[in-house]
Amino acid sequence: GAVVSQHPSWVICKSGTSVKIECRSLDFQATTMFWYRQFPKQSLMLMATSNEGSKATYEQGVEKDKFLINHASLTLSTLTVTSAHPEDSSFYICSATTGLYNEQFFGPGTRLTVL
Amino acid sequence: RKEVEQDPGPFNVPEGATVAFNCTYSNSASQSFFWYRQDCRKEPKLLMSVYSSGNEDGRFTAQLNRASQYISLLIRDSKLSDSATYLCVPCLGQGGKLIFGQGTELSVKP
Repeated sequence: GAVVSQHPSWVICKSGTSVKIECRSLDFQATTMFWYRQFPKQSLMLMATSNEGSKATYEQGVEKDKFLINHASLTLSTLTVTSAHPEDSSFYICSATTGLYNEQFFGPGTRLTVL
Repeated sequence: RKEVEQDPGPFNVPEGATVAFNCTYSNSASQSFFWYRQDCRKEPKLLMSVYSSGNEDGRFTAQLNRASQYISLLIRDSKLSDSATYLCVPCLGQGGKLIFGQGTELSVKP
């Protein structure tokens, strides 16, 4: 159990375009979903916390107008990177929790490359 | 002081060896703790949850000392497949926010 999927697994786009990443909990309802970013050889950095039906809470330094998060249901959250630039190239990973024991289950990640 | 401190390694050990990782955390409000493993270019996968003074799961034993704000992970009879980065992850109870450090890299050699 506790499977989280993420789509797409990788994407290459031109500078200035927007990219949408989907995160789904497949076999459980996720009260909360999280979005992380990880640069090579660095630790996971939390970008935002998302609860179904409410606005996401962004970490300090993360632009909410650039990284749009929508948590439409208990099994789906989306992250849209708007007007992507090369510095946005990174590994984006979502996670979901049932809220029971605070364990987070991670999706397989999306590798974004902005040319 | 960093929120989570781990020896980055790499730890290079032969198959069958016992290896121990140490971790200290700075936020005494941390309520629960996890060990995750992350393979190169993959997502973290939950290895163990640590809720009381420690617990054991097969070859893996985790210990928690809240007074010292210290967590350890012991791997016995290490396998080639144990090669990964091991992440000690405290959880702040409010909102379930996980605190990630850089982890400890383990390389198990034949």
